[in-house]
Amino acid sequence: EVQLVESGGGLVQPGGSLRLSCSASGFTFSSYAMHWVRQAPGKGLEYVSAISSNGGSTYYADSVKGRFTISRDNSKNTLYLQMSSLRAEDTAVYYCVKTAFSGYYFDYWGQGTLVTVSS
Amino acid sequence: EIVLTQSPGTLSLSPGERATLSCRASQSVSSSYLAWYQQKPGQAPRLLIYGASSRATGIPDRFSGSGSGTDFTLTISRLEPEDFAVYYCQQYGSSRMYTFGQGTKLEIK
Repeated sequence: EVQLVESGGGLVQPGGSLRLSCSASGFTFSSYAMHWVRQAPGKGLEYVSAISSNGGSTYYADSVKGRFTISRDNSKNTLYLQMSSLRAEDTAVYYCVKTAFSGYYFDYWGQGTLVTVSS
Repeated sequence: EIVLTQSPGTLSLSPGERATLSCRASQSVSSSYLAWYQQKPGQAPRLLIYGASSRATGIPDRFSGSGSGTDFTLTISRLEPEDFAVYYCQQYGSSRMYTFGQGTKLEIK
């Protein structure tokens, strides 16, 4: 059974930093690209970032480019999102998401971790 | 960047009725690249349809997807109480860019 378990969310002040982790199990983690998708309270889904299966390629939405860094440790089956210079508009539930083998859609989602940016 | 526009924003129907949800793209999208998700309150989204018309594992056959080019549709043939949720379409585009529609809320009338 595929499981994605996020951790690391919490309350942080504007301008602060936070690192999210996602522990994966139930599939060959090193074979799949992984993603982060977020959802602000009461809002829709926003695509945030992606990393290739070997970590060699990354992608960021314009809204987080230069502030967030995605990475992975295939030996630990873990995905990360390092967030810095956080803003109020970064407040959201952050989902760790597994891409299907084709790469065109997301077949498994974690339960999400809430990040709140507020003073 | 391709923009996906979902309509209606809210759809009020009764159990047993047929639901038709629309997703319109600002540019043509390959059918292979179009997916639908269901999200219930407090839960993560769940994959329903991929490749515009293929049901994901475990999805009941009352859910169906169709469309091509810029117009895609999610149909729920006979609504069950558990189907009332928010539905999102999603496309995969150039530069490995993924975008979501703004969602359609399906509520009980």
